[in-house]
Order: sequence, then structure tokens, then C-alpha cells
Amino acid sequence: QSVLTQPPSVSGAPGQRVTISCTGSSSNIGAGYDVHWYQQLPGTAPKLLIYGNNNRPSGVPDRFSGSKSDTSASLAITGLQAEDEADYYCQSYDRGLSAWEFGGGTRLTVL
Amino acid sequence: QVQLQQWGAGLLKPSETLSLTCAVYGGSFSGYHWTWIRQPPGKGLEWIGEINHAGTTTYNPSLKSRVTMSVDTSKNQFSLKLPSVTAADTAVYYCATRGYFGWSSVDAFDIWGQGTMVTVSS
Repeated sequence: QSVLTQPPSVSGAPGQRVTISCTGSSSNIGAGYDVHWYQQLPGTAPKLLIYGNNNRPSGVPDRFSGSKSDTSASLAITGLQAEDEADYYCQSYDRGLSAWEFGGGTRLTVL
Repeated sequence: QVQLQQWGAGLLKPSETLSLTCAVYGGSFSGYHWTWIRQPPGKGLEWIGEINHAGTTTYNPSLKSRVTMSVDTSKNQFSLKLPSVTAADTAVYYCATRGYFGWSSVDAFDIWGQGTMVTVSS
């Protein structure tokens, strides 16, 4: 059971907007630690998608954006494309556990 | 371009020792934190621990009693050992590093190896 809670799945039609939530606590996100997001395509290693709550590495389309508020964070994907179908993970540091923690992951299905 | 290339035994029997190595190519080894992360089949990611070029380690408290990490700075490599494996250790194991790039965050895992599937079965 992860200390960062994500919905198991979300879905949307091509062109639509979806959001994925990541709910933490005062020991992690609420303590001021940054949230990062990863995209994992089937059979591949995770790839850093959003770092420092709302920053995109070079090459990541601006259709992807992140936000953070209090003890939670969100990943938004606009203009959904078939290639966005993947698993998405949030990550932050938990001072109570003294460990970097990942959310349980959210599977995005493009209908 | 920095790349992580990992290898190790993919099939173990219960009670054997898991041993994986990751090599850093195309970039600096010193000054960074080299990490191991695992992912059981169909499940999420678990941070195992990290080591720096000087050999200083930080382990996940949930695995601390079993994990050993080491570095070989002459080869730009770092390794993971996990003794007495059970079926619960079956997972894809990834090497990674955090905050490698100047544009990144110090605790974002910005470079990953290709992953090694380790299966524990009698």
C-alpha cells in the first residue's frame, strides 16, 4: 500500500483532457517535497515526464502538465493521443518512511 | 549521452543471492546518487536504495536488513546484492540515478537502465 494514492485507471477519447491525481500526506507532499511524474510504456522502463511539480524535460510535449497543492498533486494530459496509453506514476519523498515513494500507478486507456 | 546498462542473473532459486550490476556510459560517475528500483509483475515501483561514488549508502528501511550496494569507480559501475531471495523478490529491477541533469530536480529519477527481470522459482 503506497503512501501516495493514485486512481488505478483513467480513460478518455482522443483529443480529450484527462487528469490523474496523486494524494499524499503531511509526511510527503504536504511537507513541501516536490512531486515528479513518470510515464511507463508497455515493456519499457519508466521515463521522467514532469519534474519539480510542474516542469517538463526537453522533448516532452506541452500537452502534459503538472500541479501541486497542499497534500496532493495532479497530472493533466490534454489533446489525448493513442500514444499516450501507458502507466503513469507520481513520486515524492516521505520523511516518515525516510524513503522515496511512488504512487501505485494509473493506467491510462485511450478509447 | 549518458546511458545505464545493467546485467545479472535472471532466474534464481529460493535462498540464493540476487546480484545485479549497472554500468554508467557516456557521462560522469562522481557526484551522483546511483539507485536501484524494482517493480513486481503487474505492480508499482519500489525504491530499494542508493549509493554514491564514495560508497555512502541509503537503503529503504523496509529492505535495509537484506540489501547491500557497492561501487567500482574504476569501471563506473555499481551493484546490488540481495541474499536469501524468495518469490516475493520476483520483479523487474532497474538501475537509475536522480538529479543527474542540471535542469532536473535533485530527487527526480532522470536516467534509467533498461531493466532486468529476476524470477525466483524452485
